[in-house]
Amino acid sequence: NAGVMQNPRHLVRRRGQEARLRCSPMKGHSHVYWYRQLPEEGLKFMVYLQKENIIDESGMPKERFSAEFPKEGPSILRIQQVVRGDSAAYFCASSPPSGSSGNTIYFGEGSWLTVV
Amino acid sequence: GDSVTQMEGPVTLSEEACLTINCTYTATGYPSLFWYVQYPGEGLQLLLKATKADDKGSNKGFEATYRKETTSFHLEKGSVQVSDSAVYFCARQNTGGFKTIFGAGTRLFVKA
Repeated sequence: NAGVMQNPRHLVRRRGQEARLRCSPMKGHSHVYWYRQLPEEGLKFMVYLQKENIIDESGMPKERFSAEFPKEGPSILRIQQVVRGDSAAYFCASSPPSGSSGNTIYFGEGSWLTVV
Repeated sequence: GDSVTQMEGPVTLSEEACLTINCTYTATGYPSLFWYVQYPGEGLQLLLKATKADDKGSNKGFEATYRKETTSFHLEKGSVQVSDSAVYFCARQNTGGFKTIFGAGTRLFVKA
């Protein structure tokens, strides 16, 4: 059973370009989360999605960032007009549609974005 | 809003020393509590969890007890190994919810 798959693992973009990060959740998981980890900082929640719906985007910057999780295909985190401050590791996680307490979320290995 | 506060690192210990990493959480509702571990260049992995007061989570020699009275979930291990060197994250999740909020992480170095 494959884990959460993220690609690309490493991405270099020039200032002003667009970055697209993809995440395929674990099989059977319908919830996807995106987190950002800045160098030497903690993990910041960005957005939580279910298929075709954004449930909570309270951690997403108001401009340039967007996320989707279509009915078919991976979840995409899109960053338009990247700036140097967007350089970070972006982690995707997924969880099954359980209603119980203590829902473990499973992380991918991350996508490292470098803006030059 | 909901938050998690954990002790700043880095923490440097000799092999076989005792480890405690403090973690406190905001007391909104009755959250589930987690410890995740991150090895260099990798994503986070669940280490242990507890879903209600007085529960003790344990795994690989690590333990943490859900203390409602002190809103704490401190991570402990009696004898650390070099292979325990990693970043440890405390996290909370609201009851019946899915959004998980993480602390800033505590880096642990264990010297041989």
